[in-house]
Amino acid sequence: EDQVTQSPEALRLQEGESSSLNCSYTVSGLRGLFWYRQDPGKGPEFLFTLYSAGEEKEKERLKATLTKKESFLHITAPKPEDSATYLCAVGDNQGGKLIFGQGTELSVKP
Amino acid sequence: DSGVTQTPKHLITATGQRVTLRCSPRSGDLSVYWYQQSLDQGLQFLIQYYNGEERAKGNILERFSAQQFPDLHSELNLSSLELGDSALYFCASSVGSSHEKLFFGSGTQLSVL
Repeated sequence: EDQVTQSPEALRLQEGESSSLNCSYTVSGLRGLFWYRQDPGKGPEFLFTLYSAGEEKEKERLKATLTKKESFLHITAPKPEDSATYLCAVGDNQGGKLIFGQGTELSVKP
Repeated sequence: DSGVTQTPKHLITATGQRVTLRCSPRSGDLSVYWYQQSLDQGLQFLIQYYNGEERAKGNILERFSAQQFPDLHSELNLSSLELGDSALYFCASSVGSSHEKLFFGSGTQLSVL
């Protein structure tokens, strides 16, 4: 069964304290690994897509990496505005279906 | 603003009732997706339509149905509602039919009492 597991469930950081979020996955035919950010009361917002092991993408303080079994979202020198829930998802062989993890709730304190 | 419009934002109804959720995709997007988000299940894929045709199906209950109209807007119909159907329902859209960047609406919060 296709599955996505994210850890930790919650992460509290001080402003400027770098860290990483983990997303491990099992899927029969990976067709993309996706990271989304979700703010309270809003829909998820797209961050990155990764397709092959070794691929990396960056956006401001965020950097996503991909291996054959997991992905990491590295947050460098985070700011309070980075506080949100970060969702990882994988695409399978069925059309546009995405399988989402439970998310990591990130809180950055000033 | 993602460009995806969902109405209504909030819906309160009783068990056994039927409701319709509406979604207007971004201009130019041909695919519409419906997702259900609850605290215990997370974000679950329900169904995808591409240019009016059903493209992919997830764990959508038989009591639920959806369609995409010629103007590309979509409706999700939920019937014989149960307490457990209370959740946040998101619509998303994309240009193509396969895995790519999705744009999510702000959701409809459904409360079944």
